[in-house]
Amino acid sequence: AQSVAQPEDQVNVAEGNPLTVKCTYSVSGNPYLFWYVQYPNRGLQFLLKYITGDNLVKGSYGFEAEFNKSQTSFHLKKPSALVSDSALYFCAVRAWMDSSYKLIFGSGTRLLVRP
Amino acid sequence: EAQVTQNPRYLITVTGKKLTVTCSQNMNHEYMSWYRQDPGLGLRQIYYSMNVEVTDKGDVPEGYKVSRKEKRNFPLILESPSPNQTSLYFCASSEKGSSYNSPLHFGNGTRLTVT
Repeated sequence: AQSVAQPEDQVNVAEGNPLTVKCTYSVSGNPYLFWYVQYPNRGLQFLLKYITGDNLVKGSYGFEAEFNKSQTSFHLKKPSALVSDSALYFCAVRAWMDSSYKLIFGSGTRLLVRP
Repeated sequence: EAQVTQNPRYLITVTGKKLTVTCSQNMNHEYMSWYRQDPGLGLRQIYYSMNVEVTDKGDVPEGYKVSRKEKRNFPLILESPSPNQTSLYFCASSEKGSSYNSPLHFGNGTRLTVT
């Protein structure tokens, strides 16, 4: 079955430390991968995407993600976390299902950055 | 400002009372979609529209209706709401949706409670 998994419900980091939010996927064919962030009482905002090319993708707010084909992962990273990065993060993958493309979202990971 | 606007932000209703959640985008996007967000389940697609007068079911369409008479508007209709439709709803749009190359732009959400 085609799917995307975010194995951690919550990630806690101290401000200034590096952060990683994990995402693994299972799709047939070449994956299109996305990260979105949701701040309280707001809709999801696009952070970055991988379609092809360089495995390290840079996005908004200093975030980046590394595509690893052998491990089928697309982890979100940031070298130095800010308190304002605290939010809910969603990984999504494009999959071919039922004769059309679908966008499958993970269950979300809550990032808490403590001062 | 480019945006997706949903109304209302909060809605409390009773079982069986028809309601409509409006969605409008000002970016001339072809693709629009409705999602519901439930804890631990991520986002699940309800209905989507590739263009005017073209709509299709997503993963959880039961109990919902949509229409796309104009490019900018994509209302979600609950003919006879039930408590299991209590959820956080998001409307989204993108420039072209069929291949999901373009990122989605989300509204700020509508929190619906059905008693």
